[in-house]
Amino acid sequence: NAGVTQTPKFQVLKTGQSMTLQCAQDMNHNSMYWYRQDPGMGLRLIYYSASEGTTDKGEVPNGYNVSRLNKREFSLRLESAAPSQTSVYFCASSDGTGVTLAEEQFFGPGTRLTVL
Amino acid sequence: GDSVTQMEGPVTLSEEAFLTINCTYTATGYPSLFWYVQYPGEGLQLLLKATKADDKGSNKGFEATYRKETTSFHLEKGSVQVSDSAVYFCALSDRAGFQKLVFGTGTRLLVSP
Repeated sequence: NAGVTQTPKFQVLKTGQSMTLQCAQDMNHNSMYWYRQDPGMGLRLIYYSASEGTTDKGEVPNGYNVSRLNKREFSLRLESAAPSQTSVYFCASSDGTGVTLAEEQFFGPGTRLTVL
Repeated sequence: GDSVTQMEGPVTLSEEAFLTINCTYTATGYPSLFWYVQYPGEGLQLLLKATKADDKGSNKGFEATYRKETTSFHLEKGSVQVSDSAVYFCALSDRAGFQKLVFGTGTRLLVSP
């Protein structure tokens, strides 16, 4: 049981390049999330998917797109990377059935992205 | 909108010292409250949570009490260990809709032997 996995772990891009961050979970969770973590700002939600087939914008969606490929996988794409997107990116998942109050979110190990 | 305010860090303590990390929140609804911990090089993991006023969440010697009257959820531990060195995040989720988390900025704890 691997939990939430993310690839790659590290990436360096040049301004204007594109890339896709991959995320997969093996806990049969309905909901998945993408966050970015910046110094002094905590974690901010980029996009989320409440259930398979749906995606919605979070707090900071500009410059990103997402795909919920199936129940397990949720990818984040940067079409034209900018230095302001230098950050650590975390994927997370949760049960998402609404049965449990205060659901725990399970986080992946993160991708450290640098845009030059 | 909803927000969480945490004390600035880093908090530097000696082993076996008492720890308090302050957290206050602003929410329009009646949120659930969480503490997450991030160890070096890892993702976040849930430390404890509380869902209603006067609830006390506890785990691994850490405690936090949901105080609705002061809109606070301060994290405490009676005797810290070197292994507790990490970044601690206070967070809330608004019960009104889909359970998105709103995080504080995080507080780094450094414990020396």
